[in-house]
Amino acid sequence: GENVEQHPSTLSVQEGDSAVIKCTYSDSASNYFPWYKQELGKGPQLIIDIRSNVGEKKDQRIAVTLNKTAKHFSLHITETQPEDSAVYFCAASRDSFQKLVFGTGTRLLVSP
Amino acid sequence: KAGVTQTPRYLIKTRGQQVTLSCSPISGHRSVSWYQQTPGQGLQFLFEYFSETQRNKGNFPGRFSGRQFSNSRSEMNVSTLELGDSALYLCATSRGGTSETQYFGPGTRLLVL
Repeated sequence: GENVEQHPSTLSVQEGDSAVIKCTYSDSASNYFPWYKQELGKGPQLIIDIRSNVGEKKDQRIAVTLNKTAKHFSLHITETQPEDSAVYFCAASRDSFQKLVFGTGTRLLVSP
Repeated sequence: KAGVTQTPRYLIKTRGQQVTLSCSPISGHRSVSWYQQTPGQGLQFLFEYFSETQRNKGNFPGRFSGRQFSNSRSEMNVSTLELGDSALYLCATSRGGTSETQYFGPGTRLLVL
């Protein structure tokens, strides 16, 4: 069935460094790839998403890249800040479906 | 614009009981999806409702059911609760079109004793 693998499970960086989280999906029909940030006690919050007709998308310090041939996509956070500390989830879904298949999450810790 | 609201926020039940959770979507959103989040299994899709009809369903037993009302509010019900049903239950809403962005509520934390 559909599966999304996410690495690493934990990531510790110093403030100002860059952070990269990688995901691989199994369903070749997937064409929508959102990234969510979840803080303690809260629901996931969308931070950026990309559709399969686009290879890269950037929003200030956050960027996502997609390689459809290899079936993987990555989240890049530059100039990390302590408030970026949270659990990040990647997800994938197919056209016309609202079902998101999530990765297992990456706990990002940004130290001052 | 108000976000997704879920009630109640916390629940404690005992095995064998049933529970009903509620989700009110963002204004204009007609699709409501439900997810279960646990430390062991992560975020798993339960089902999705659009215009009062279930459009998609995950791999959960029939004890998990849902419905959607004409105002797009949705409820999910879990009957004959088991210890393993303890989880954070999240709903996500969208306008319902192709690959629409989904917005999550804060979740209902259910503890089954």
